[in-house]
Amino acid sequence: KAGVTQTPRYLIKTRGQQVTLSCSPISGHRSVSWYQQTPGQGLQFLFEYFSETQRNKGNFPGRFSGRQFSNSRSEMNVSTLELGDSALYLCASSFTGLTEAFFGQGTRLTVV
Amino acid sequence: GIQVEQSPPDLILQEGANSTLRCNFSDSVNNLQWFHQNPWGQLINLFYIPSGTKQNGRLSATTVATERYSLLYISSSQTTDSGVYFCAVIFTGGGNKLTFGTGTQLKVEL
Repeated sequence: KAGVTQTPRYLIKTRGQQVTLSCSPISGHRSVSWYQQTPGQGLQFLFEYFSETQRNKGNFPGRFSGRQFSNSRSEMNVSTLELGDSALYLCASSFTGLTEAFFGQGTRLTVV
Repeated sequence: GIQVEQSPPDLILQEGANSTLRCNFSDSVNNLQWFHQNPWGQLINLFYIPSGTKQNGRLSATTVATERYSLLYISSSQTTDSGVYFCAVIFTGGGNKLTFGTGTQLKVEL
C-alpha cells in the first residue's frame, strides 16, 4: 500500500513569505503529526491531528498552524517566515496516534 | 524532565562488526520505535517495540520497559547501515506525540 506522501519535497522561500506543506497519510490512518528537524534542535513535535481535530500542540509560535481534512490529509502553514524556520519538516501517520507511526520523505524548506 | 537519551552519539565500525545502540527514557511509555534516517532525510521504521524483543534479519531490538531502556543490535554491519539511528517514545499521559532522542550517528567503513 502507498506510504505517507509529502509535497513539495523542496521549497525555497523569502523571509516574510508564508508557506503551505501537504501530507497524505497511509490509507486508513486517521492521526497525522508534524515534526521539525534542525541541526541545532533535533526532531521536535509541532502538532497532531485526529479526525480533523488538533489534539496536541508542541511549543512553537502561532505562526505555525495546521489543519486536517475529512480524508485525513493534512496541511501545515508557516506565516511570516524567518531564517530560523529553515528545516526538514516531517509528517507521520498512524491509526490512532499511539500506534506505530510511519513517516513521509519530508519537505526541506530553505528561507533566504 | 521527560527525556530520551541515546548512546553513543557517534560510532565508527569496520564492515562486519557488531554494535549495540542504547536508548534510555525517563518515564513509562506507550510506544517506542527505532528509526534509521537515510541520507535524504526520510525516517525508515526499524522496530515498533514498547516492550519485549524483536528480530528482523541482522537487526534486533529489546525494550525493558520496567527499567526504562531499549537496545538496538546491529550484527555483521554493512556500509549501507551508515546513517543516524533514532529512538522515539510516546510517554504515558504525555499526549500522542513522539519524543525523539538525539540519535546515534553510525559510520561503517570498508
